[in-house]
Amino acid sequence: EAEVAQSPRYKITEKSQAVAFWCDPISGHATLYWYRQILGQGPELLVQFQDESVVDDSQLPKDRFSAERLKGVDSTLKIQPAELGDSAMYLCASSSRGETQYFGPGTRLLVL
Amino acid sequence: SQQGEEDPQALSIQEGENATMNCSYKTSINNLQWYRQNSGRGLVHLILIRSNEREKHSGRLRVTLDTSKKSSSLLITASRAADTASYFCATDFNTPLVFGKGTRLSVIA
Repeated sequence: EAEVAQSPRYKITEKSQAVAFWCDPISGHATLYWYRQILGQGPELLVQFQDESVVDDSQLPKDRFSAERLKGVDSTLKIQPAELGDSAMYLCASSSRGETQYFGPGTRLLVL
Repeated sequence: SQQGEEDPQALSIQEGENATMNCSYKTSINNLQWYRQNSGRGLVHLILIRSNEREKHSGRLRVTLDTSKKSSSLLITASRAADTASYFCATDFNTPLVFGKGTRLSVIA
């Protein structure tokens, strides 16, 4: 069964460093999402792509976060510089028709 | 900001019992979905109910939707230890999905 791939699974970094997360969606899924999930909370959308175009990045802290999906397939989310409050689980999801989303295993980030 | 609010925040039951979780939301919706998340993992889609539907079943899951009360419930029958997870409702109305804070379900064998 096709799955969304994410790497790394865990990342520990020091504040002010740069970090990057990678996501490979299910083949053929045009829509890709990046979420941030703080412990004990539900996921919150950071950015949504339709193919290579950003559809919604209203909740993305653009002073330090950036996301790209250059060829409309895999995607990278970057944080520079990382802050203590960025410690969270970063989830990637994809969908084909915009309803059911399929999630990857997530990247757990710890900023020290 | 989160639209849905699940209730209770945590639920502990014995294996074989039924588990009921509720979700309330604030605005109009197109669809309401329920997802499950095992500890430290990604979310898994369970069921989608459209705003013009009142009840839906999938295996041991039963979802109801009352748009007049802006609420939904998820019933898991004959629970198993493997059902231990967090359960989230998510809504959309011409917007991306908005998730609630979740209900943590513990099923004790």
